[in-house]
Amino acid sequence: AQKVTQAQTEISVVEKEDVTLDCVYETRDTTYYLFWYKQPPSGELVFLIRRNSFDEQNEISGRYSWNFQKSTSSFNFTITASQVVDSAVYFCALSEGDSSGANNLFFGTGTRLTVIP
Amino acid sequence: NAGVTQTPKFQVLKTGQSMTLQCAQDMNHEYMSWYRQDPGMGLRLIHYSVGAGITDQGEVPNGYNVSRSTTEDFPLRLLSAAPSQTSVYFCASSYSVQGGGYTFGSGTRLTVV
Repeated sequence: AQKVTQAQTEISVVEKEDVTLDCVYETRDTTYYLFWYKQPPSGELVFLIRRNSFDEQNEISGRYSWNFQKSTSSFNFTITASQVVDSAVYFCALSEGDSSGANNLFFGTGTRLTVIP
Repeated sequence: NAGVTQTPKFQVLKTGQSMTLQCAQDMNHEYMSWYRQDPGMGLRLIHYSVGAGITDQGEVPNGYNVSRSTTEDFPLRLLSAAPSQTSVYFCASSYSVQGGGYTFGSGTRLTVV
């Protein structure tokens, strides 16, 4: 069965520090998709990135970067030079592609990041 | 370009009352789903639909009903609300059956007293 684990429940960093949010996933499918979402205090879910299982290239978008390693089933998210606006709950999620044809997202329990000015 | 619209944004119910949470999308997405978010538990799938007339259960379906009579709408019904259903509910849609990008509604905060 599929599973997403975000072992870090809460993280606090001082502004301008770098921070890495960990995500470990489990799936039996060979085709799957991994996502990161941000949930700011206002409550909406903001899409950050999608990565498919055949693309292990790391990605950088401004201060955000993602490290996808199939060998360790991890999809970690790093924020460089953190800012107060980065304070939010971050969710990692998995969608499986081989079975059933459905498009269900399975979420981790989230990591609450607090950036202290 | 409305995306996914959820109504209401807030609701307080008494135990035993029924209500329908509305979800509508204007992107012609085939896939739609409902999640509930509880503290420390992330988002859990309640029900989903891969097209009009087709629905299926997710991880936590008990106490909820859904139907999908049109591509645009996917309402979630609570037949007899219980305090355990106090949660934030999110509706999502996707442009493809597998691996597609998801669009989430802004959520409905439901309190059952």
